[in-house]
Amino acid sequence: AQTVTQSQPEMSVQEAETVTLSCTYDTSESNYYLFWYKQPPSRQMILVIRQEAYKQQNATENRFSVNFQKAAKSFSLKISDSQLGDTAMYFCAFMKRGTGNQFYFGTGTSLTVIP
Amino acid sequence: DTAVSQTPKYLVTQMGNDKSIKCEQNLGHDTMYWYKQDSKKFLKIMFSYNNKELIINETVPNRFSPKSPDKAHLNLHINSLELGDSAVYFCASSPINRLTGELFFGEGSRLTVL
Repeated sequence: AQTVTQSQPEMSVQEAETVTLSCTYDTSESNYYLFWYKQPPSRQMILVIRQEAYKQQNATENRFSVNFQKAAKSFSLKISDSQLGDTAMYFCAFMKRGTGNQFYFGTGTSLTVIP
Repeated sequence: DTAVSQTPKYLVTQMGNDKSIKCEQNLGHDTMYWYKQDSKKFLKIMFSYNNKELIINETVPNRFSPKSPDKAHLNLHINSLELGDSAVYFCASSPINRLTGELFFGEGSRLTVL
């Protein structure tokens, strides 16, 4: 079974600063994807960034980037130039490809951006 | 033109009642899911359907019954509601044959059982 661990239940960061959210996972699969989802107070789940396991290059999306360490099974999210709108719950997710893609979520990290 | 839509968005009901939540996706995806998010924000998979066929059925009370009339719809019916059923229920879909395979979520349905 796959497990996803987010060891930081809550974090805060000053506006315009950089923050890193941690995620580790456990799997014996070789073909998988990793995601970070954001859930603001509106409760809508929004995809922030994705990473294919077979790609060594770390994914980036504007102010969001990941540090993917496959051997260590680590997938951290870095948010640069934090903005007030980044305040949200952040979920790390693991997807195993197969008949009906199976997704496994971490317990989430609540991020507060302080003005 | 909402990609994954679920209704109702809010539902308040008494213990013992039966209720349904409907979900539709217009993305042409093969796989649909129901997730439950509890008060601690933990997301738990309940069911997954691939082309109308049930493929994931986690340890969920049999009071919960999913129904998929076609691959664009996945409804959730709950019988004899209990206080512990209060949560936000998310419908989601995923394109199994595409390389990315991300989950697309609906807006969630907040169920409150009194």
